[in-house]
Amino acid sequence: GAVVSQHPSRVICKSGTSVKIECRSLDFQATTMFWYRQFPKQSLMLMATSNEGSKATYEQGVEKDKFLINHASLTLSTLTVTSAHPEDSSFYICSASSTGGGETQYFGPGTRLLVL
Amino acid sequence: AQRVTQPEKLLSVFKGAPVELKCNYSYSGSPELFWYVQYSRQRLQLLLRHISRESIKGFTADLNKGETSFHLKKPFAQEEDSAMYYCALSGRSNDMRFGAGTRLTVKP
Repeated sequence: GAVVSQHPSRVICKSGTSVKIECRSLDFQATTMFWYRQFPKQSLMLMATSNEGSKATYEQGVEKDKFLINHASLTLSTLTVTSAHPEDSSFYICSASSTGGGETQYFGPGTRLLVL
Repeated sequence: AQRVTQPEKLLSVFKGAPVELKCNYSYSGSPELFWYVQYSRQRLQLLLRHISRESIKGFTADLNKGETSFHLKKPFAQEEDSAMYYCALSGRSNDMRFGAGTRLTVKP
């Protein structure tokens, strides 16, 4: 089946630094990728939807300058948390879908970010 | 390691028939289980979580620790239930793992 990977799986950084998280579709072309954030004991929150080659669509309340999303190829999307603060500490999950997949989303394993 | 298995990629039932979407998990501890649903052209949304023990849109799911299952059930399927359903598990670290999803089609 379709596989989506995320890198890194865990990252610890200092406040004020930027962190890049990669999301890759390993065996299919992902025309659309989604970025989610999970707060402790809560369900997922969709942050943004990105289509290859175009600007990401951000959900209301998500700062586009804070969470930079790039979907430069059909197999790679990146989420950069700029000037990270402790409140950005969270679990970030990406998912990917292809036009031939009937909107099925394939989820990555997630990235745990801890900002000190 | 956390793992969620949804053995059926596709499930098709007729309107009014009972439906069960299977979900099995692997986790050495007390997990929190969820069902998410995505209707066509809509975003993923939470359907229910086992700790709430509630019924949403007629769906229920019981956590069976002995069988490590969290199957989603509805006694009488409706056409509007046609969607993608994802089972997910959150463990001690709160990191969420998703199953591969099951596409449910309810035929008239």
